[in-house]
Amino acid sequence: AQTVTQSQPEMSVQEAETVTLSCTYDTSESDYYLFWYKQPPSRQMILVIRQEAYKQQNATENRFSVNFQKAAKSFSLKISDSQLGDAAMYFCAYRSADGGGADGLTFGKGTHLIIQP
Amino acid sequence: KAGVTQTPRYLIKTRGQQVTLSCSPISGHRSVSWYQQTPGQGLQFLFEYFSETQRNKGNFPGRFSGRQFSNSRSEMNVSTLELGDSALYLCASSLKGGNSPLHFGNGTRLTVT
Repeated sequence: AQTVTQSQPEMSVQEAETVTLSCTYDTSESDYYLFWYKQPPSRQMILVIRQEAYKQQNATENRFSVNFQKAAKSFSLKISDSQLGDAAMYFCAYRSADGGGADGLTFGKGTHLIIQP
Repeated sequence: KAGVTQTPRYLIKTRGQQVTLSCSPISGHRSVSWYQQTPGQGLQFLFEYFSETQRNKGNFPGRFSGRQFSNSRSEMNVSTLELGDSALYLCASSLKGGNSPLHFGNGTRLTVT
């Protein structure tokens, strides 16, 4: 079974600065997808960024980018120019590409990101 | 386009009762997944439906069941409620299941007393 580990229960960053959230995963599969989701107090999970394992290029979405190291099974999220609205729980998630991904997402325990004004 | 709608938002039940949660996916989405979120276990996959068929089920007892209707709306049922079933239940829809991006609702907060 796959596991996802987020080693930082909580991170704090000053507004406008850059922060990196860590995520490692364990899998024996070669084809899979990795995600970062954000969950603000409203409880709704919002997709931040998505990475396909067979793509070497790191995904970027505006101020959000990832550092995907497939051999090291590492998938960190970098948030540049942090804004107050970025404050939330961030979850790293894994999904197998085998069988059409019908096994659902495997989530890490989450990192609580605090933005200091 | 309206997002994923889950009803009710909050629910309080007593041990031994049963409960049904509802999820309306984004229009045009044919797949619905359910997740349980608790402080101790985190987010865990319950099941996924596509075109009224259950594609897979997570590691949950048979008390947890679900179904999907022809209009893609889904319901999740938990019978013989236990205190440990208290959780936030999240529903997510996607266009065609599999690895299509998931869009989550705001969840139903279930409290079992």
